[in-house]
Amino acid sequence: AQSVAQPEDQVNVAEGNPLTVKCTYSVSGNPYLFWYVQYPNRGLQFLLKYITGDNLVKGSYGFEAEFNKSQTSFHLKKPSALVSDSALYFCAVRDKAGGYQKVTFGTGTKLQVIP
Amino acid sequence: DADVTQTPRNRITKTGKRIMLECSQTKGHDRMYWYRQDPGLGLQLIYYSFDVKDINKGEISDGYSVSRQAQAKFSLSLESAIPNQTALYFCATSGSTSGETQYFGPGTRLLVL
Repeated sequence: AQSVAQPEDQVNVAEGNPLTVKCTYSVSGNPYLFWYVQYPNRGLQFLLKYITGDNLVKGSYGFEAEFNKSQTSFHLKKPSALVSDSALYFCAVRDKAGGYQKVTFGTGTKLQVIP
Repeated sequence: DADVTQTPRNRITKTGKRIMLECSQTKGHDRMYWYRQDPGLGLQLIYYSFDVKDINKGEISDGYSVSRQAQAKFSLSLESAIPNQTALYFCATSGSTSGETQYFGPGTRLLVL
């Protein structure tokens, strides 16, 4: 069975500092990996994904994530945090194997950027 | 995402009542999903549909049913609501052009008294 772990319920960072939101995963085959963001009273919005190719993936709003196969991680990063980045972040994974494969979401990490 | 709409946005109901949550999309996607979000649990898949004639149970389908009325419409019903179905419900879509990315509606906040 596939799984996703987001080990931190909340991450606090000062505005202007770099931020990292951690994600590790487990799948039987090769993964598709995703990051979504949820602002208050809104649905999840797609940020970025890893399908294949370059391990460093760039996404919306200046976010990026690095796929590390040996550590089975896909941490979300941003060089300089903004107060407006404060939101709930979800990592998700699905197996690349053919046919329908369920997407498994992590439990979410609340990012708080302090002015 | 305005391309995926959900109605109602908020709903309060009583135990035993039947309610329906509706989802519509203008993205032209063939796949639609219903998820439930509870604090600390992430998103759990209730049902998914790959086209109008294809309906599949997710991991927590008990107590729920769905109807795919058209490619663009996917409704979720609670046949007899119970308090532990109090949650935030999301509809999502994906398609062959979205590269496995799912697009979510704004959610319906349901309170069962």
